[in-house]
Amino acid sequence: DAKTTQPPSMDCAEGRAANLPCNHSTISGNEYVYWYRQIHSQGPQYIIHGLKNNETNEMASLIITEDRKSSTLILPHATLRDTAVYYCIVSKKAAGNKLTFGGGTRVLVKP
Amino acid sequence: DTAVSQTPKYLVTQMGNDKSIKCEQNLGHDTMYWYKQDSKKFLKIMFSYNNKELIINETVPNRFSPKSPDKAHLNLHINSLELGDSAVYFCASSQEAGAWTEAFFGQGTRLTVV
Repeated sequence: DAKTTQPPSMDCAEGRAANLPCNHSTISGNEYVYWYRQIHSQGPQYIIHGLKNNETNEMASLIITEDRKSSTLILPHATLRDTAVYYCIVSKKAAGNKLTFGGGTRVLVKP
Repeated sequence: DTAVSQTPKYLVTQMGNDKSIKCEQNLGHDTMYWYKQDSKKFLKIMFSYNNKELIINETVPNRFSPKSPDKAHLNLHINSLELGDSAVYFCASSQEAGAWTEAFFGQGTRLTVV
């Protein structure tokens, strides 16, 4: 699975959009980009995924560059409950769909 | 209803003991996993089972033995516990279908070996 690079931490003001970048320059054609988050003391939670096209759901939007070497997770209106570690993961469908977690980005939403 | 449930939530035990952590999912998923999150907060996969068959074993010491009595359960038994086994252990499940999948994680079991 391709490796990802994320900033270790970032702050965001409550009510503002949070843009979380992720680099995955070695991604291959059949690999998806997944985003998960882990709120303190809880298990990781799926947010969104994409292959080539931009995606949006009730939690977030995912923007993937045309060359697929990077992506941005957008939390449109961050709330205090969005404070968490956000993981960008690149994975292809394989036996067990293994998710390889990196260090993630620790996002602190401030009032 | 909790989708993926683990028991116990906390486990404190002495070195050398044998302990088990249980996991159950009520999502009807085919695949279950065990992940370990160490003190540095890195999450690493340990095992993956698909329909009760082991498909991933990520260089985990053989003191760790997963057991899947049916596809809704994946238990983790640890023999001769060591201090370095202290971590949070997460169970997860997913459906092995299509080109992508969403994994659902349990709330974790915090294991402390003293």
